[in-house]
Amino acid sequence: SSELTQDPAVSVALGQTVRITCQGDSLSTYYASWYQQKPGQAPLLVIYGKNNRPSGIPDRFSGSTSGNTASLTIAGAQAEDEADYYCNSRGRSGNHLVFGGGTKLTVL
Amino acid sequence: EVQLVESGGGLVQPGGSLRLSCVASRFTFSTYWMTWVRQAPGKGLEWVANIKEDGSEEYYVDSVKGRFTIARDNAKNSLYLQMSSLRAEDTAVYYCATGRYAFDIWGQGTMVTVSS
Repeated sequence: SSELTQDPAVSVALGQTVRITCQGDSLSTYYASWYQQKPGQAPLLVIYGKNNRPSGIPDRFSGSTSGNTASLTIAGAQAEDEADYYCNSRGRSGNHLVFGGGTKLTVL
Repeated sequence: EVQLVESGGGLVQPGGSLRLSCVASRFTFSTYWMTWVRQAPGKGLEWVANIKEDGSEEYYVDSVKGRFTIARDNAKNSLYLQMSSLRAEDTAVYYCATGRYAFDIWGQGTMVTVSS
């Protein structure tokens, strides 16, 4: 079982706000990063660190952490945001990395 | 455009070996930690291994420790993953990516299938 737990599926109405969560003990110490993956494509980093977006990522994507839960928020979800989303962070050992199981986001 | 291109995947029998390569272009490869991540068919992402900029540190997920070796050649802008004693559960798309904790640039992946 993964050290990071994500809900398998989440849905959101077009234009509404959605929060995708990632839970794990290591998140009380280390930040999570978030990746978007569309079918047949490599993952794309969307959030890293406290709440940083790589160049080219829309500002509707944001990240936050509370206790041992990290969240990715998409404010005003668009049809093109429909994808699988994965969190990752450092594991219990600190030098190892772990991914959450992924959340399939459906935009209705 | 910055780019990572993996190669070396294919069909291999259980117990066999395979060497994956990842060539970097249009960025300073030698200043980045590098990572291998894999994804089994229809499954999620799994961190496999990473290596420090100068190759002096490397870390592995427990399931591949002792079977896989990560290496790099900064003069050739290349990252490698030597895989041996392959098992069916190693079947996956293998991605190389830049970074130690967050992975910014990704390759397109190379498929490894372990089957008799």
